[in-house]
Amino acid sequence: EVQLVESGGGLVQPGGSLRLSCAASGFTFSSYSMNWVRQAPGKGLEWVSYISSSSSTIYYADSVKGRFTISRDKAKNSLYLQMNSLRAEDTAVYYCARGRYSSSSGPLDYWGQGTLVTVSS
Amino acid sequence: DIVMTQSPDSLAVSLGERATINCKSSQSVLYSSNNKTYLAWYQQRPGQPPKLLIYWASTRESGVPDRFSGSGSGTDFTLTISSLQAEDVSIYYCQQYYSTPWTFGQGTRVEIK
Repeated sequence: EVQLVESGGGLVQPGGSLRLSCAASGFTFSSYSMNWVRQAPGKGLEWVSYISSSSSTIYYADSVKGRFTISRDKAKNSLYLQMNSLRAEDTAVYYCARGRYSSSSGPLDYWGQGTLVTVSS
Repeated sequence: DIVMTQSPDSLAVSLGERATINCKSSQSVLYSSNNKTYLAWYQQRPGQPPKLLIYWASTRESGVPDRFSGSGSGTDFTLTISSLQAEDVSIYYCQQYYSTPWTFGQGTRVEIK
């Protein structure tokens, strides 16, 4: 069974940093692309970042470019999102989502339960 | 960026009746080189993460009931629930994965009338 479990969320002050993790199991992690998608309280879905299976291709939404860094660790079957210079508008539930394919564009076929990030003083 | 616009924002349908949700993209999401349409539909039940229902505009994900169907091409798409069940109360999102940034529609809330 495919499982994605996010962790690392919490309350952080504006300008602060946080590192999210996503532990993957039940599939060959190194064969799939991965994504982060966020959802502000009571709002819709916003794609944040993509990393291909080999980490050779990385994309970011303009809203986080230069502040967030996506990475993955094959040995630990884990996906990460380093978030720096956090702003109030980054407050959201952050979901880890698997891409259907290793390096080409595809739907997001499995999602974690999400971890809440709150940016507030 | 490709803007995805869904209509309506919400709808209330009687149990057993048809629900239809529309999604329009600001540009075509058909990739001519492989003739594939880069459009997906997701269901988000209250308090739950999104779940993939439909991809390539009309391919039903494994395990998704056949009352859910997707149609459309180019820039206009439809998600149809042929016979609404109580467990279908959710917010539904369309998403294009044709070009980054991947973008979602604003969501359509489906309720029981």
